[in-house]
Amino acid sequence: DIQLTQSPSSLSASIGDTVTITCRASQNIFPYLNWYQQKPGKAPKLLIYAVSSLPSGVPSRFSGSGFGTDFGLTISSLQPEDFASYYCQQIYSPPWTFGQGTKVEIK
Amino acid sequence: QVQLQASGPGLVKSSETLSLTCTVSGGSISNYYWTWIRQPPGKGLEWIGYIYHSGSTNYNPSLRSRVTISVDTSRNQFSLKLSSVTAADTAMYFCARGTDYRGHLDYWGQGSLVTVSS
Repeated sequence: DIQLTQSPSSLSASIGDTVTITCRASQNIFPYLNWYQQKPGKAPKLLIYAVSSLPSGVPSRFSGSGFGTDFGLTISSLQPEDFASYYCQQIYSPPWTFGQGTKVEIK
Repeated sequence: QVQLQASGPGLVKSSETLSLTCTVSGGSISNYYWTWIRQPPGKGLEWIGYIYHSGSTNYNPSLRSRVTISVDTSRNQFSLKLSSVTAADTAMYFCARGTDYRGHLDYWGQGSLVTVSS
C-alpha cells in the first residue's frame, strides 16, 4: 500500500495567517492526490483534486501544489471556518489511502 | 444537488454482519464509483471499497475477505456488508461518490455510526 505522511499532525494559527500542510507519499503518485476538509461531527468535504484543482465553491484562499512524492496544501489568510482537520488522499494505486490528518486549531 | 444518505443499525453484535445502505438522490447512480469509507472514533479515514454502477467492485485487501458491496440501480442505492465484525470495526461509516476509477470523492453522505458490542 502507498503510505501518506502528513506534517504537522496539528498546528495552531491565528485568523489571517497563511499555513501550509505537507503530504509525503511513499512513491510517486503524481497527479493523483486529493485534499479533504473535515469539521467535527461532519463528513469530509472535497477541497482540492488532482494536486491543484479547486472544485466549484471552494474559496481561492485554498491552493494545492506538488510533484512526485511531495505535496502541499496552503491556506492563505485563515478564516474562522477553516479551523478543521485536513486529509490528503492518493488515488494512484489501490487501495486508496489517506494521510493521518492535520488538525488546524485557533491560537 | 446530489445527496447521499447512509442508513442501517447503529449497534451490531460481535461476530455478526454489519449492513448499511446508501440512498442516492438528486442524480443517477450510473457512471460513478460508489464508495464506502470508515473512520474509527478519533482516528483517520480508511477506504473500504467501491462499486461501479455495472457491478464491478474493488475492495481494500485488508478487508476483502469480509466485505461485500452491492448496487441496486432500480432503487438508486448501494450497500455494504461487513461480516464477522469485532470491536475494531466500530466506526463512522461514510458513503461517497467517486467521479472516476481514479476519481476524487465529490459528494459524501453524513455518515452512519456503527458500534460493535460484545
